[in-house]
Amino acid sequence: NAGVTQTPKFQVLKTGQSMTLQCAQDMNHNSMYWYRQDPGMGLRLIYYSASEGTTDKGEVPNGYNVSRLNKREFSLRLESAAPSQTSVYFCASSPIRDEQYFGPGTRLTVT
Amino acid sequence: GQQLNQSPQSMFIQEGEDVSMNCTSSSIFNTWLWYKQDPGEGPVLLIALYKAGELTSNGRLTAQFGITRKDSFLNISASIPSDVGIYFCAGPRRDFQGAQKLVFGQGTRLTINP
Repeated sequence: NAGVTQTPKFQVLKTGQSMTLQCAQDMNHNSMYWYRQDPGMGLRLIYYSASEGTTDKGEVPNGYNVSRLNKREFSLRLESAAPSQTSVYFCASSPIRDEQYFGPGTRLTVT
Repeated sequence: GQQLNQSPQSMFIQEGEDVSMNCTSSSIFNTWLWYKQDPGEGPVLLIALYKAGELTSNGRLTAQFGITRKDSFLNISASIPSDVGIYFCAGPRRDFQGAQKLVFGQGTRLTINP
């Protein structure tokens, strides 16, 4: 099992550009999550999907949209990137129990 | 948002020493999770605790679920260089739809002098 995979690993965008971060899990987990991690801020939840077909806002959803494409895939879209969105983005998935399993992250820089 | 209180925030130790860190909350959790994050990587789940009083080991790591359900402890015995990283505690909360979200501690940064 690959676990949780994320693409791309690194990305540089100019202000105003759009992009989609991809996440997939092969563990048949119901729930999936997107976090951002900034220095000194810890992990902050952007959006989550409790099950296929549902998505909900987390702590910091402004400037982002998500799509739960199917049970395996959960994408995060930045429609118009801003320098404040420079961060490391982590996707995670969770079975019915309480653990979450994280992907390797995408480092995004917006100039 | 809500956070767990994790201490210490950083530790500087010699290789071979034992390490202890803890996490406390003002409210009860039914599960405690401990993660480790290496530089440039995602958090990796080390230990999950599901029952008050539970003591669980994973190699040189031992974690305990406090009896009050408001705290948890992580110990690392005989530290080695690859133990360097940031350790996070986390506890799940369920929203009105039953969706699980994690509350995280601020992290303990472990540095080891060889």
